[in-house]
Amino acid sequence: EPEVTQTPSHQVTQMGQEVILRCVPISNHLYFYWYRQILGQKVEFLVSFYNNEISEKSEIFDDQFSVERPDGSNFTLKIRSTKLEDSAMYFCASGLRNQPQHFGDGTRLSIL
Amino acid sequence: KNEVEQSPQNLTAQEGEFITINCSYSVGISALHWLQQHPGGGIVSLFMLSSGKKKHGRLIATINIQEKHSSLHITASHPRDSAVYICAVSPTGNQFYFGTGTSLTVIP
Repeated sequence: EPEVTQTPSHQVTQMGQEVILRCVPISNHLYFYWYRQILGQKVEFLVSFYNNEISEKSEIFDDQFSVERPDGSNFTLKIRSTKLEDSAMYFCASGLRNQPQHFGDGTRLSIL
Repeated sequence: KNEVEQSPQNLTAQEGEFITINCSYSVGISALHWLQQHPGGGIVSLFMLSSGKKKHGRLIATINIQEKHSSLHITASHPRDSAVYICAVSPTGNQFYFGTGTSLTVIP
């Protein structure tokens, strides 16, 4: 069965550094999402992406965040100048219209 | 402000019991999702509902749009059902609000 894959599984970065989290969605999916889950807290929506542009973004998704689908297969989340509070598990998901999403296993981001 | 409230927060059941997890929401929605988060952290989508009832194996999900309420039922619960069950709602199909999850433990 096709899967959403995320790399790396764990990323450790110094505060203030840029980080790029990578996702390979399922190949025929058209809708892409990023979520985050701070340890012990609920999952939070960051951004949705369709037709090469952002569809919706949450209040969390401020100017330090950006998303890109650079080559038609990867879907990346960039955090420009990381803060301690960016430490979380980041999940990518993909789907088709009116269908349940498929989630990746997540990238654990640790900011030191 | 919590757009999605789940109850109970924690639930312990004996194997074989019938389990109900509830979700109430305060926003208009286009769809409601039930998700399962495994102890290792991975998330699996169980159901996407906009009306009525859906069944998959031992899992049943219902939604009452007028009352803004959904339930997830597990029949004949099994220890492998132990996980966190999360309700999420989408007003537009492109933005999502999540509940805090219900942590289910099924004891053999």
